[in-house]
Amino acid sequence: AQSVTQLGSHVSVSEGALVLLRCNYSSSVPPYLFWYVQYPNQGLQLLLKYTSAATLVKGINGFEAEFKKSETSFHLTKPSAHMSDAAEYFCAVSLETGANNLFFGTGTRLTVIP
Amino acid sequence: ETGVTQSPTHLIKTRGQQVTLRCSSQSGHNTVSWYQQALGQGPQFIFQYYREEENGRGNFPPRFSGLQFPNYSSELNVNALELDDSALYLCASSLGGLRETQYFGPGTRLLVL
Repeated sequence: AQSVTQLGSHVSVSEGALVLLRCNYSSSVPPYLFWYVQYPNQGLQLLLKYTSAATLVKGINGFEAEFKKSETSFHLTKPSAHMSDAAEYFCAVSLETGANNLFFGTGTRLTVIP
Repeated sequence: ETGVTQSPTHLIKTRGQQVTLRCSSQSGHNTVSWYQQALGQGPQFIFQYYREEENGRGNFPPRFSGLQFPNYSSELNVNALELDDSALYLCASSLGGLRETQYFGPGTRLLVL
């Protein structure tokens, strides 16, 4: 079975500070991992995707994530937070068989303090 | 390139009624997945359609059903609505194949009274 755990349902950072959103996964096979962002009253937008080609994945809006197999982690980071980064962030893993569906974590709401 | 679109944007129904939600996939995509996102939760997989056939289903009862049309657009039907069906329903389209990136629409917010 595959699952993801997002530590911290709410994270607050000051504008210009480092953003770190945590995601740990459990998987019996090498997973594909995703980070999506959801702005208020909108759908999900793909930030980045890990496909085993490189452990450090760069995404849109200055975000990146590093796949660490030894820690079963795929944390999302951004060096300097911007007010426009305030949103809900979801980590997701694709299932190993069957339909190409995603299993999502419970999300982390990021607040950026001016 | 047209993205994923969903209609309606909002809907209010009463318990016991039936509802149909619609999704148009992104150009070139042949796979549509539906997710339910309850308030404060992550999306949960309902089912997926690939070339008009159901290609997988999550832990949802049979009163949740769907269709995919030859142009790859899709419908989600929910019968005998319950209060707990109140949620944001998200549609995502992708190319066929495992682990293809899914692109999400803006969702339909359903309120069941």
